[in-house]
Amino acid sequence: GAVVSQHPSWVICKSGTSVKIECRSLDFQATTMFWYRQFPKQSLMLMATSNEGSKATYEQGVEKDKFLINHASLTLSTLTVTSAHPEDSSFYICSANLLTGTSDEQFFGPGTRLTVL
Amino acid sequence: EDQVTQSPEALRLQEGESSSLNCSYTVSGLRGLFWYRQDPGKGPEFLFTLYSAGEEKEKERLKATLTKKESFLHITAPKPEDSATYLCALYSSASKIIFGSGTRLSIRP
Repeated sequence: GAVVSQHPSWVICKSGTSVKIECRSLDFQATTMFWYRQFPKQSLMLMATSNEGSKATYEQGVEKDKFLINHASLTLSTLTVTSAHPEDSSFYICSANLLTGTSDEQFFGPGTRLTVL
Repeated sequence: EDQVTQSPEALRLQEGESSSLNCSYTVSGLRGLFWYRQDPGKGPEFLFTLYSAGEEKEKERLKATLTKKESFLHITAPKPEDSATYLCALYSSASKIIFGSGTRLSIRP
């Protein structure tokens, strides 16, 4: 299957700092990528849809000024958590949409664990 | 409102004991229904996409089916390595992805 990578795999930062997470589709181009967060023992919650070359679409309740998304190319989307606080600690996962003539599939990255002290 | 409900929340089986996981949904327009496997601390691993009612897909001990209201993930003669959380997700025609809460499957040797 298609491969999606994330970097870093984990990060620990101090409260008030900003953290950037990268999501790359390694062997395919993705016009659409999605960002999720997942709390322990809970399911994935969609944060935003990232579209190449245009502004991201945020889900209700997600602060777009706090979670900055940039989809600068067909293989890279970034999520920047600005002025992070302990409540932002979570597991952040991206996915990329692979659309072919016969299939429409979502492939996920391995996730980034953010801990804000 | 588009919605996904998975049941049971947790399922413990003996090795070799077949069972099914359920994913019920309501959606205004279905683009696809995904099944994923997720191990602790890792991203979801793609299993299947189902596009229309009546469709079935198989992979090793897993078989996914779809009706207009629900999807089933059948696991036949499971092994301990099949233990994981299984997630279904709705992909709507509005390009929204909604995940169910998952079923934690545990297979005892």
